[in-house]
Amino acid sequence: SQQGEEDPQALSIQEGENATMNCSYKTSINNLQWYRQNSGRGLVHLILIRSNEREKHSGRLRVTLDTSKKSSSLLITASRAADTASYFCATAPAGGTSYGKLTFGQGTILTVHP
Amino acid sequence: NAGVTQTPKFQVLKTGQSMTLQCAQDMNHEYMSWYRQDPGMGLRLIHYSVGAGITDQGEVPNGYNVSRSTTEDFPLRLLSAAPSQTSVYFCASSFEGPRYEQYFGPGTRLTVT
Repeated sequence: SQQGEEDPQALSIQEGENATMNCSYKTSINNLQWYRQNSGRGLVHLILIRSNEREKHSGRLRVTLDTSKKSSSLLITASRAADTASYFCATAPAGGTSYGKLTFGQGTILTVHP
Repeated sequence: NAGVTQTPKFQVLKTGQSMTLQCAQDMNHEYMSWYRQDPGMGLRLIHYSVGAGITDQGEVPNGYNVSRSTTEDFPLRLLSAAPSQTSVYFCASSFEGPRYEQYFGPGTRLTVT
């Protein structure tokens, strides 16, 4: 079963609006990562937030992490048509036998209309 | 740096055939992994390696073999292809495992008829 579950599954907005995607997970984590995938391409790393961090920024991206609720959100501000892509969260386990396993959610498809 | 490269980009196999998907990285990363991506399923981990000579199973290892004889290369072998293995396969690498950002290859689209 997937460690990370994302919602919404699909999001459609106008250019200039903000986009928020959420990720929930089940077990203790070392970090949570967000990736972008353009159609037909490989995944590109966006941001990594460690379990002892609550918020992180990178350009127009803002990621929050709430370990008590086992959830994270990715906010893209002032969206552009070029942000149209699928976005995935991925969790790295805190330790134990799953140490080497990064687990991905099912993704959110973001469409930004010009 | 070329980053992570994968060959071939596309492949069609008949049921029962075998083949090897190639993956190479030039970043001297210790950790490499293989995922498959199916519609609505996200990415699922097949096998991973934490260094040359060390491999382990992921979430969906059945039907796939791996080996890691060098730091640079991490081939994925399909022993006897089945239609259920029709998917897009991604190779990734990182400095030292899931605690660091992953660098992905462009993918191999495999169809098994």
